[in-house]
Amino acid sequence: NAGVTQTPKFQVLKTGQSMTLQCAQDMNHNSMYWYRQDPGMGLRLIYYSASEGTTDKGEVPNGYNVSRLNKREFSLRLESAAPSQTSVYFCASSESQAKNIQYFGAGTRLSVL
Amino acid sequence: SQKIEQNSEALNIQEGKTATLTCNYTNYSPAYLQWYRQDPGRGPVFLLLIRENEKEKRKERLKVTFDTTLKQSLFHITASQPADSATYLCALAHNAGNMLTFGGGTRLMVKP
Repeated sequence: NAGVTQTPKFQVLKTGQSMTLQCAQDMNHNSMYWYRQDPGMGLRLIYYSASEGTTDKGEVPNGYNVSRLNKREFSLRLESAAPSQTSVYFCASSESQAKNIQYFGAGTRLSVL
Repeated sequence: SQKIEQNSEALNIQEGKTATLTCNYTNYSPAYLQWYRQDPGRGPVFLLLIRENEKEKRKERLKVTFDTTLKQSLFHITASQPADSATYLCALAHNAGNMLTFGGGTRLMVKP
């Protein structure tokens, strides 16, 4: 049982480059989330998807887009990367928003030069 | 503004002692509060959930208290072990359908 799988684990980008972070869960969860974690800032919600077919902005959505491809997969796209987007990105899933115990992936460490 | 505060300084304790971590919040009326553990280079892992109408929750060596008057949760690890060394995060939800907001976490170091 893999849980939540994120790819890639590490990435280095140049300013202005684009990339997509992939996330998949095999727990049949309805809700999925993207967070970023910066030193001293804790986890901050970027976007979430309460259920398949819906996405909503979180606390820090600027510079990002998301796609809920199907129930399993939720991707995060950086269209034009900036150094301020250097961070560790975590994907999480939960059974639903009401049963909001979250299961996290191992993270993607992104550096934007 | 809404704020969740956890001690950003590391907590160092001796093996066998009880570790107590604090989560304080302002301008929230949370429906429930959760605690997660995060090891270096890994994602957070859920530990315990306590609801607003519950004073205390236990799981093995872990105990969480929730005081909505003080706006504070305490997280205790009894008989601590070096393997308990990690960062512990608290998270609040306004109501059952709302998003979690995380605190910055407190790093616990248990020395043998």
